[in-house]
Parts: sequence; C-alpha cells; structure tokens
Amino acid sequence: QVQLVESGGGLVKTGGSLRLSCTASGFTFSDYYMNWIRQAPGKGLEWISYIDHESRTIYYVDSVKGRFTISRDNAKNSLYLQMNSLRADDTAVYYCARGHVFSDYWGQGDLVTVSS
Amino acid sequence: DIQMTQSPSSLSAFVGDRVTITCRASQSISSYLNWYQQKPGKAPKLVISAVATLHSGVTSRFSGSGSGTDFTLTISNLQPEDFATFYCQQSYSAPLTFGGGTKVEIK
Repeated sequence: QVQLVESGGGLVKTGGSLRLSCTASGFTFSDYYMNWIRQAPGKGLEWISYIDHESRTIYYVDSVKGRFTISRDNAKNSLYLQMNSLRADDTAVYYCARGHVFSDYWGQGDLVTVSS
Repeated sequence: DIQMTQSPSSLSAFVGDRVTITCRASQSISSYLNWYQQKPGKAPKLVISAVATLHSGVTSRFSGSGSGTDFTLTISNLQPEDFATFYCQQSYSAPLTFGGGTKVEIK
C-alpha cells in the first residue's frame, strides 16, 4: 500500500535551518510529482512547493522562495525540503503529498516549531 | 496567484441533512478543482478530484459540481463520520492554492 512518512521536524531557533525528509513506499516514486504542504496551528492548508519526476520543474509559494529548497532522490524514494532562515510563521505541520493535479496520498505530517 | 474563497467557513447540521459548500476561484480554473476532508489531528484525505470524480473508496454521498470559477461540494444524508473540515484546492496553476476551509459540525 502507498505510504509516505515524513521525518526531520522539531524545534529550531529563529533564523535556523532544518531538513525534512519524506520516504515513499508502495508505488513507483519516480512516476509522480511530489508536494510539500503545511498547516500552521489552528489554520488552513498552505501548499508550499512541488517538484516534477525528474526535478526539472519546481515551484514555490512566494513566502518561502529563496529560503526553502525542494529536492528528491528517486533512487532512495525520497523527497526533501531544506528550510533555511526559518521564521516564527513557518511553525506548522508539514505534509508531503503525492501528485500535483490532485494529491491522492498524504503523509501523517511532521511538526516544525520555530521559536526564539 | 489564484485566490480560492470558500463559504461558509462553518456550518452546523443534523445527521441525515444535505449540506452544500461553495468554492469560488478568482479566475477560471477549468476543471482543476479538488476537495479534501480533514479530521482533527489527521492528514487531509482526497474526496473529489477534477470537480466531480469521487476518489477511490469515498462514499457516493459526496458529490461535486461546477466549472470555471464556481464549484460546490454536496454531502447527502450527512453521517457522523462526515463531520470534519473540508478544503477546496485549485491545481490549474502554481502556486496551487487552497480555500480557507469549511468546518462541518454536528447540530
């Protein structure tokens, strides 16, 4: 069965960095676009980035451009999000999700807390 | 960027009711409209893709309609397991954007 498992979250100081990973199983990872989507505490969903099969097409929401970098390693069935210059308003649960036209599978989410 | 506006932001309904949630896009998104259901503490789940295509395993009590800029999600014969927050999302162009959510509560 399809599984997506995020890891790497935690508490980080303002201005710090963190790298999230998403490990996929149960499907051919290299066939799919992949997304990162986040949800601040008590708030709605915010799509932040996607990457195509071969890492040639990448998009970011404006609020993370220049600070976050999405990448993937198809040989390792893994998706990554490098987050630099973290701010308090980056505090959220971060989800990876499969597919960019629609996201049919999501991970369980990983909490990132940015605090001074 | 395409803005997605959902209404209402919350609603209360009885088990057995029929409820409708509306989503409006700030420009035409053709049929690139999805609906997700999220329960507290859980990841969102895809309910409907491409306006009206029910995701595998989703009950037929859910239905979607619309085109262009105006879309609806209808839940017929509301059941206890349907109480959740629902989000629309456009996938017509990046940045992909979500509506603000509609919380469906038990009356």
